[in-house]
Amino acid sequence: GQNIDQPTEMTATEGAIVQINCTYQTSGFNGLFWYQQHAGEAPTFLSYNVLDGLEEKGRFSSFLSRSKGYSYLLLKELQMKDSASYLCAVMDSNYQLIWGAGTKLIIKP
Amino acid sequence: DADVTQTPRNRITKTGKRIMLECSQTKGHDRMYWYRQDPGLGLRLIYYSFDVKDINKGEISDGYSVSRQAQAKFSLSLESAIPNQTALYFCATSDLQGDQETQYFGPGTRLLVL
Repeated sequence: GQNIDQPTEMTATEGAIVQINCTYQTSGFNGLFWYQQHAGEAPTFLSYNVLDGLEEKGRFSSFLSRSKGYSYLLLKELQMKDSASYLCAVMDSNYQLIWGAGTKLIIKP
Repeated sequence: DADVTQTPRNRITKTGKRIMLECSQTKGHDRMYWYRQDPGLGLRLIYYSFDVKDINKGEISDGYSVSRQAQAKFSLSLESAIPNQTALYFCATSDLQGDQETQYFGPGTRLLVL
């Protein structure tokens, strides 16, 4: 079966750095996405990785290792507005997105 | 104006009733999707459409049907609603740029089936 695993909840302090991990087992791989979802709102696109390595976009970076079936999202200089759920999703060989359950990130002052 | 809109935003209905959720987009995308989201679970795909003449079942299509009336419109119907269809429903659209297909989501419809 296809599976995406990520921690259910994480807590971090404002101004700090947090890393959210995602491991996957899917039928094929055509890219990995990270989305941000604030409570009660729609998911919004953050990043896309299809090749191994680190993609940096401002305070957010995303890393991929295809051989390990592993990705992480790194958030720097945390702000209170970063409190949200972070969804990891993998596009499989049929170009279907398989979604993780999301990691709820709580930022404390 | 929002690129992907959903109506209604909230709906309460009774078991056995037929309801329709509507989605419209102004992004000009050919691909559209319907998902449901339940607490503690990932987004699950109900149906998807790659163009007006193309309709495909997703992971959890039982109890649902869809209609792609135009490139911009994709509606989801629950023929006879049941309580375990209580969930948050999202419509999404996507386009393929190179090898990257990014999905863009509507604001969601919160459905409660009594």
